[in-house]
Amino acid sequence: KAGVTQTPRYLIKTRGQQVTLSCSPISGHRSVSWYQQTPGQGLQFLFEYFSETQRNKGNFPGRFSGRQFSNSRSEMNVSTLELGDSALYLCASSAGPGGSSYEQYFGPGTRLTVT
Amino acid sequence: AQSVTQLGSHVSVSEGALVLLRCNYSSSVPPYLFWYVQYPNQGLQLLLKYTSAATLVKGINGFEAEFKKSETSFHLTKPSAHMSDAAEYFCAVSPGPYGQNFVFGPGTRLSVLP
Repeated sequence: KAGVTQTPRYLIKTRGQQVTLSCSPISGHRSVSWYQQTPGQGLQFLFEYFSETQRNKGNFPGRFSGRQFSNSRSEMNVSTLELGDSALYLCASSAGPGGSSYEQYFGPGTRLTVT
Repeated sequence: AQSVTQLGSHVSVSEGALVLLRCNYSSSVPPYLFWYVQYPNQGLQLLLKYTSAATLVKGINGFEAEFKKSETSFHLTKPSAHMSDAAEYFCAVSPGPYGQNFVFGPGTRLSVLP
C-alpha cells in the first residue's frame, strides 16, 4: 500500500505570495491532519479534516486554510506569505477521525522557503 | 492545557550503549503518550504509544518506554544503540487515545558514536 504523499517536496516563494500544498493520504484513509515544523517552534498542529469537514484547528492565523476533497486528498493554502512561514509542512493520514482507534501516518513533508 | 518537555535537545551515546531519552508531560486528564522518530528529510514514524493498557510499552526497533504517573514521565529507552538509531525523537501527548491533535515536545536529536 502506498504511503502518504505530499507535493511538492520543496518550494520557494516570495513574501506576500500565496502557496498551496497537496497531500494524498493512504488509500482508504479519510482523515488528514496538517502540522508545521520549525526549528524555533517545533511541531505544531494546524488542522484536521475528516470526510471533507474540518474537525479541529490549531492556533494559527486565518491566512492558513485547508480543504479536503471527496477522494480524501487535502490541500493547505497559505496566503500573504511571511518570512516566518518558512517551515516543513507535514501531512498525516489515518483511517478514522480524531479520538478514534486509528494511528496517524506521516508523509515526508513539503519544505517551504519564503524569501 | 497539555504540554511536553524533553530534557536534552541533543544526546550522544556510543554504539552498544544504553539509550535514554527523557520525556515529561503535564496534562489535566489521563494522557495518551507517544514517541515518534524522524530521520533526515523524512516524516515522522510511530515508535510506540501508551494508552493505559500497560505501563511498560514495547515498540519497534527494540525501543520501549515506561509510563510513570507519579513522575509524569514517559522516558524512552533502548538497551544497545545502533548507528541506525541516529535521528530526532519526539514525545507527544494527546487528549485522544490514538494520537489526534498532538502536542509535541521540542525533540531530542540522538547521535550514535562509533
